[in-house]
Amino acid sequence: KAGVTQTPRYLIKTRGQQVTLSCSPISGHRSVSWYQQTPGQGLQFLFEYFSETQRNKGNFPGRFSGRQFSNSRSEMNVSTLELGDSALYLCASSFNAGGPTTEAFFGQGTRLTVV
Amino acid sequence: GNSVTQMEGPVTLSEEAFLTINCTYTATGYPSLFWYVQYPGEGLQLLLKATKADDKGSNKGFEATYRKETTSFHLEKGSVQVSDSAVYFCALLLRSGGYNKLIFGAGTRLAVHP
Repeated sequence: KAGVTQTPRYLIKTRGQQVTLSCSPISGHRSVSWYQQTPGQGLQFLFEYFSETQRNKGNFPGRFSGRQFSNSRSEMNVSTLELGDSALYLCASSFNAGGPTTEAFFGQGTRLTVV
Repeated sequence: GNSVTQMEGPVTLSEEAFLTINCTYTATGYPSLFWYVQYPGEGLQLLLKATKADDKGSNKGFEATYRKETTSFHLEKGSVQVSDSAVYFCALLLRSGGYNKLIFGAGTRLAVHP
């Protein structure tokens, strides 16, 4: 069974540009969450999608957005990039959305560098 | 608010030493608790989990027990190996209104020397 796939693995962008990251969850998983990992702030929740609906959003500015498609694949977009957006962006998928045994399986992440 | 506190690293041990990484949490309700491990250049891998009080999660020689009375979920391993060198994250899962949200500790880096 294939794991969570994130593309691309690495990205270098310039300040002011926008970027789109992609996540393909494990087959059959309907919940996809996004996290930002930085040395200073650690792992922070961005948002969660379930059945194409955003169910929860973390404390990030509106420049961060996402969506989920009918096949559960998800994309996140960051507009007007800032240097502080440089981070590892992790996607996690889970099957049993909201259940007590919900396990999140993470992809390898996309390393975004803003210069 | 909801939060997870882990012992600061790095933790440096010799091979075959005993490992403890402390984790305490603050949460409303009864969260599920997890330990994740991150190897260099990789994403997070689920190491073990516990969904209710007194549950013991175990995997690859690692263990952690969900202690509701002390709000703790300490990670232990009896004999570490060089290959265990990684960053370990304690996390709690909040479930509310149908959504999932993992809250992570800051992570503890473990370095095991031969």
